[in-house]
Amino acid sequence: EAGVAQSPRYKIIEKRQSVAFWCNPISGHATLYWYQQILGQGPKLLIQFQNNGVVDDSQLPKDRFSAERLKGVDSTLKIQPAKLEDSAVYLCASSLDYRTGIYGYTFGSGTRLTVV
Amino acid sequence: SQKIEQNSEALNIQEGKTATLTCNYTNYSPAYLQWYRQDPGRGPVFLLLIRENEKEKRKERLKVTFDTTLKQSLFHITASQPADSATYLCALTGGGNKLTFGTGTQLKVEL
Repeated sequence: EAGVAQSPRYKIIEKRQSVAFWCNPISGHATLYWYQQILGQGPKLLIQFQNNGVVDDSQLPKDRFSAERLKGVDSTLKIQPAKLEDSAVYLCASSLDYRTGIYGYTFGSGTRLTVV
Repeated sequence: SQKIEQNSEALNIQEGKTATLTCNYTNYSPAYLQWYRQDPGRGPVFLLLIRENEKEKRKERLKVTFDTTLKQSLFHITASQPADSATYLCALTGGGNKLTFGTGTQLKVEL
């Protein structure tokens, strides 16, 4: 089975610029997550989708971050404008429908963002 | 506040020995606990899930225990190999299958 696909792999931007990350989850996985992982820390949840609806975005900095999953499949995370502290790896993960049980996540390889 | 604590210092062990990693949590009542492996430049990989009413779970050379009284999970790798060297993340599940991760412990298995 194909894994979770993310692009780009790396991105370097200047502060105040905008950037977008793309994620294609495993086919059939209804639940999609975006995590931010700062060097030396564990991943931190930014937003959770169930199909095309948002389940939890309580830790998403909504003044600069936005995410969508319009057709309930692939998803885009955007940062506008970027700050230096946004430098991190952005991980996308998917799982089977959380409403039917608790499942392990499948993560993509992430996008490493450097803001200079 | 809620905390998930894993030993931030790297654990170095000799090949063939059992590695034991610890995960402690406070101010949580998790229904589930999961362990993930993360290699440099890669996303975490799911290893094991254990429910609050399970004391122990095994998978090949891996064993996880979950003590809800002590608020602690232990993760064991028996007969460790250099290929087991990685960072291991503990994660707790609350409502909605939302995972909250610890900071991870780096394991180095030496020949």
